[in-house]
Amino acid sequence: NAGVTQTPKFRVLKTGQSMTLLCAQDMNHEYMYWYRQDPGMGLRLIHYSVGEGTTAKGEVPDGYNVSRLKKQNFLLGLESAAPSQTSVYFCASSYSKARVAEAFFGQGTRLTVV
Amino acid sequence: GDSVTQMEGPVTLSEEACLTINCTYTATGYPSLFWYVQYPGEGLQLLLKATKADDKGSNKGFEATYRKETTSFHLEKGSVQVSDSAVYFCALKANDMRFGAGTRLTVKP
Repeated sequence: NAGVTQTPKFRVLKTGQSMTLLCAQDMNHEYMYWYRQDPGMGLRLIHYSVGEGTTAKGEVPDGYNVSRLKKQNFLLGLESAAPSQTSVYFCASSYSKARVAEAFFGQGTRLTVV
Repeated sequence: GDSVTQMEGPVTLSEEACLTINCTYTATGYPSLFWYVQYPGEGLQLLLKATKADDKGSNKGFEATYRKETTSFHLEKGSVQVSDSAVYFCALKANDMRFGAGTRLTVKP
């Protein structure tokens, strides 16, 4: 009964370092999303995927890259971390792009860039 | 573009008090509307949703009605409990999902 699982849960990076956040879902969902959550700003969409092998940009894609090589996994990469990327990152999945389909969220990754 | 505006709070209530968290939206199409709840240290969980005008979503004593004429989806509960303390997010989905800034609710015994 895992749902959406994110790893790691916490990470501290130095400016300029790189890292990859992993999201895995076991619900056979086609759609997967990466959001960042910042105080007073709610959740903002970074990138999303409508199926295996596809990715697309969201509201705030700069500084991030993503890959969806397998249907169940969606990776978010930071090539050269900046303090402005300090945030809580959430992965979500959905069975459909239809407006009635809700999103299921992971527990989040708290990233601090110093 | 599509957007959601919600009461930012924080909101502090005593147990058994009435709750209203305001949410209004702007959308070009006919979105579905959602309330999500985030408990401390956890991800967002769907609380309730409504998919067309005049629909009422309800769950765990919470209710919200999709009001197209006022473009609103206010969250209400008649008697809050300490366990309701969390951050509440209003969201809409037309082409993609957009979230409000979140409202932190603290309920004191």
